[in-house]
Amino acid sequence: DQQVKQNSPSLSVQEGRISILNCDYTNSMFDYFLWYKKYPAEGPTFLISISSIKDKNEDGRFTVFLNKSAKHLSLHIVPSQPGDSAVYFCAASARETSGSRLTFGEGTQLTVNP
Amino acid sequence: KAGVTQTPRYLIKTRGQQVTLSCSPISGHRSVSWYQQTPGQGLQFLFEYFSETQRNKGNFPGRFSGRQFSNSRSEMNVSTLELGDSALYLCASSYQESHGTQYFGPGTRLTVL
Repeated sequence: DQQVKQNSPSLSVQEGRISILNCDYTNSMFDYFLWYKKYPAEGPTFLISISSIKDKNEDGRFTVFLNKSAKHLSLHIVPSQPGDSAVYFCAASARETSGSRLTFGEGTQLTVNP
Repeated sequence: KAGVTQTPRYLIKTRGQQVTLSCSPISGHRSVSWYQQTPGQGLQFLFEYFSETQRNKGNFPGRFSGRQFSNSRSEMNVSTLELGDSALYLCASSYQESHGTQYFGPGTRLTVL
């Protein structure tokens, strides 16, 4: 039962353009969502999060959008830089049912071409 | 502040052995969670500890266990290792009791031969 899904295994964009990574979830109890960036053989690095009481959160070049009715979130990176090339994971948690436990998507490999 | 540290970084064991991995959380963080990453299953939750108590457990067999000490440092143990236990084991710490952002360590790469 894949409760968090990232349907695009890979995404390739040109430097300076926008990268949009998508994530869908099925568990309506999820109320906190996070995006992590990961390089091979390293731990995930936290990028940005959003609570279900919001529909948008920005931090520099990163913006996360949440559409609760569609159970969909997306991460926008503008402008994209070659150093952004990594695997991006979305994750979700449900305070009432599972506390801090994070459920991860499968990841999307982002490649930003110079 | 120093980040989450994990030791050892790499480990090679043989089937049937047991292994103990260690995690030191960010100073002041009292919640420690463990995750397993494999190519086939992705990132999967093992268990979470807060104030020395296991609060949450994932769908892993009883061979996987953990504990947390009074200084919030945590260890996880895997007994009777199987080939399928080869994975990157990640520890994450959080300041808040629940719903806090989790910060990950670099992981321990376990290879079971």
